[in-house]
Amino acid sequence: EPEVTQTPSHQVTQMGQEVILRCVPISNHLYFYWYRQILGQKVEFLVSFYNNEISEKSEIFDDQFSVERPDGSNFTLKIRSTKLEDSAMYFCASGTPRASGPYEQYFGPGTRLTVT
Amino acid sequence: SQQGEEDPQALSIQEGENATMNCSYKTSINNLQWYRQNSGRGLVHLILIRSNEREKHSGRLRVTLDTSKKSSSLLITASRAADTASYFCATRIQGAQKLVFGQGTRLTINP
Repeated sequence: EPEVTQTPSHQVTQMGQEVILRCVPISNHLYFYWYRQILGQKVEFLVSFYNNEISEKSEIFDDQFSVERPDGSNFTLKIRSTKLEDSAMYFCASGTPRASGPYEQYFGPGTRLTVT
Repeated sequence: SQQGEEDPQALSIQEGENATMNCSYKTSINNLQWYRQNSGRGLVHLILIRSNEREKHSGRLRVTLDTSKKSSSLLITASRAADTASYFCATRIQGAQKLVFGQGTRLTINP
């Protein structure tokens, strides 16, 4: 069964450094998402991406964040200058519209980002 | 209160018993999805119920949706130790792409 994959599984970085989190969505999906989950808290939406552009973003997704689909398979989240409060589990998700209506979002295993 | 809230926050039952978790939300939705998360791991999609559906089954899972009360429940029948996990409801509101997650219910199945 196809699944969303993410690399790395764990990233440790120093405050102020740039990080790129990588995701390979399910191959025939058209919508791509990033969410994050700070330890002990709920999963929060960051951004959705469709047709090579951001379709929706949250207030968390400020100028420090960017997303890109550099080729036909990868979907990346870049944090330009990490802060301590960016430490979280970052989940990539993908989905594709159905003729019948609503569709599921399938999540990857996550990348645990630790900012020191 | 927020869009998605589950109760109870924690539930501990014996193996073989049924587990019921509830979710309430505030705004009109397009659909509601339930996910499972094992400790420190990713989110596994369990079931999606549309706003015009009232009940849906998948194996040992039964989900109900009451849009008049803005609430949903997830029932796991004949629970197993492997069902131990956190369970989240996530709503997709009309016109939006994002899912809004609740705080989750931490379910422990005791052998």
